[in-house]
Amino acid sequence: NAGVTQTPKFRILKIGQSMTLQCTQDMNHNYMYWYRQDPGMGLKLIYYSVGAGITDKGEVPNGYNVSRSTTEDFPLRLELAAPSQTSVYFCASSYSEASTDTQYFGPGTRLTVL
Amino acid sequence: GESVGLHLPTLSVQEGDNSIINCAYSNSASDYFIWYKQESGKGPQFIIDIRSNMDKRQGQRVTVLLNKTVKHLSLQIAATQPGDSAVYFCAERFGSARQLTFGSGTQLTVLP
Repeated sequence: NAGVTQTPKFRILKIGQSMTLQCTQDMNHNYMYWYRQDPGMGLKLIYYSVGAGITDKGEVPNGYNVSRSTTEDFPLRLELAAPSQTSVYFCASSYSEASTDTQYFGPGTRLTVL
Repeated sequence: GESVGLHLPTLSVQEGDNSIINCAYSNSASDYFIWYKQESGKGPQFIIDIRSNMDKRQGQRVTVLLNKTVKHLSLQIAATQPGDSAVYFCAERFGSARQLTFGSGTQLTVLP
């Protein structure tokens, strides 16, 4: 299994541009998450999904959108990039919502908005 | 809101010594705690977890201690190796998997 994969690894955007961060998992996990990590900080939840067709907001959803058309894929969309969105973005997945279920993380996408 | 914090942002230890990384949490309703290791340029990697009905759990070279009285979590790494150099995050969970709150991390550096 490849686990959780993310593309691209790096991206530089200009203010106002849009882009989609891709996330795919091959573990047949129902739950998927998007986090952002600012320098020297922990991870903050942007959006999550409990299954195909179902998404919900996390702690910091403003400026982002997500979709979940398949179990495997959970893309994160930035419509109008802003400097405040400069961060490292991590996608994660878990099998269930059980509090003891481990979340597995992808390698991250480093985004810079200039 | 509730938050998870760390006592020290950086920790340097000699190779072969034991490391102790501390974490304070404030949500008394949290029922599950996780330690993640994050190497430079990589995503967080699960190390060890502990449920709130336990006060100690051991893994390979790692031990997590939970003190619910003072809302304190610690990660002990035995015989620290150069490969242990990374940022370590504690995370707390209350209710469901989506409610995972991370601390800001501690940078562990292993000195030769």
